[in-house]
Formats: sequence, C-alpha cells, structure tokens
Amino acid sequence: ILNVEQSPQSLHVQEGDSTNFTCSFPSSNFYALHWYRWETAKSPEALFVMTLNGDEKKKGQISATLNTKEGYSYLYIKGSQPEDSATYLCAFITNRDDKIIFGKGTRLHILP
Amino acid sequence: DGGITQSPKYLFRKEGQNVTLSCEQNLNHDAMYWYRQDPGQGLRLIYYSQIVNDFQKGDIAEGYSVSREKKESFPLTVTSAQKNPTAFYLCASSIATSGTYEQYFGPGTRLTVT
Repeated sequence: ILNVEQSPQSLHVQEGDSTNFTCSFPSSNFYALHWYRWETAKSPEALFVMTLNGDEKKKGQISATLNTKEGYSYLYIKGSQPEDSATYLCAFITNRDDKIIFGKGTRLHILP
Repeated sequence: DGGITQSPKYLFRKEGQNVTLSCEQNLNHDAMYWYRQDPGQGLRLIYYSQIVNDFQKGDIAEGYSVSREKKESFPLTVTSAQKNPTAFYLCASSIATSGTYEQYFGPGTRLTVT
C-alpha cells in the first residue's frame, strides 16, 4: 500500500514569520507530486505540479522543492500572512497505474 | 465559466437507502475522480475514470458504484452496503493526456446518513 505522509499535522505561526512543512512519498514509481491549498469553505486548488527531481517552484511568497530519489518535498512560506491560513495537501501520482494518493494535510494557522 | 459542479451541497438520507451524488464538468477534461474526506483523514480515492465508459476502483471502492456514460458526468452512488457513508465527498477532474493529472475540484457534497 502506497503511503504519503505529511508533517506536521498542524502548525501555528505568527504573522510575518516564515515556515515550512514536509511531504514524504514512495521513492519508486514516481510520476508527479502536487501541492494543493484548501481554504475553509472552498475547494482545494493546485499550488504546484512537480515532475522532475530537483524541481523548485515559486508562486509569490510560497515555494516548493522536490527530491524524488529520497522521496520528499518541502513547501516554504516566507513572511506568513493571515490569508495563508489553510490546509496544505500533497498528492503523489504513480507511473504504475496513474493513481493519485493524498497525504492527510498540514493545517496552517497564522496568528495575528 | 468552466468548472465542476456538485449537487446538492448537503444531503441527508436514512440508513439502508441508496443515494446518488452528482458531478458535472464543462472543462472538457478526460479524467474524473471521486474522493471521500473524513475528519483527521486525507482525501481517499473511491473511483476514477480516465475515459468515457471506463472506470477503475480506488482505495475504498467497496459500497460505492459509478458510471461514466458521458464525458461531462461522473455520478457516484453510495449504496446501502457502504458501512460508514456519512462523509464529505469531493469530485475532481483532470486533463489526463497532458500528463500532470492536476486535479480541479468541485465544491463537494456533505452526506449525512442516519
């Protein structure tokens, strides 16, 4: 059974501080790794789609890195703002059967 | 506007009844997916379909059934065989042929079975 782990499960960060969290996934049969942001009362929306080892993506103050050989991805938020409060999900896509496996998410709370 | 619609937003059913959740997309996406979310859990894949008239079981397909007669529509039936049907259900679609499988999600249906 393929497993995707995210840590920490929950995180409280002071506004203006930077933070990061982790997604761990199987290092074999890698096809793609997605990061999604899920705000309360909204649908999850894709932040990054990563396919190559060593990939680094950036959108505003949020960035992500990917290491497919060791099976992890980091999401970084620089200078957290209240609107960054959300659950961040990562999803691993296998090249074996195109199945998509989500982690349980990291719930980020930005404290004013 | 292109997007995915799920209806209804809230659904209440009595135990022992089958119920069908609607999912429609006008994004012209090939692939569609059904996920379930429970408190403290991630999104778990129930069924997915890469093409019309074909679908595959996800990790928790027992007690559910789907059909994919049209590209735009992927309804999910929660049968009476599903032991714990109360949950939040999300439908998604993606452009299967583009290779990234980026998921576009609907607003979800919260099903309560008593």
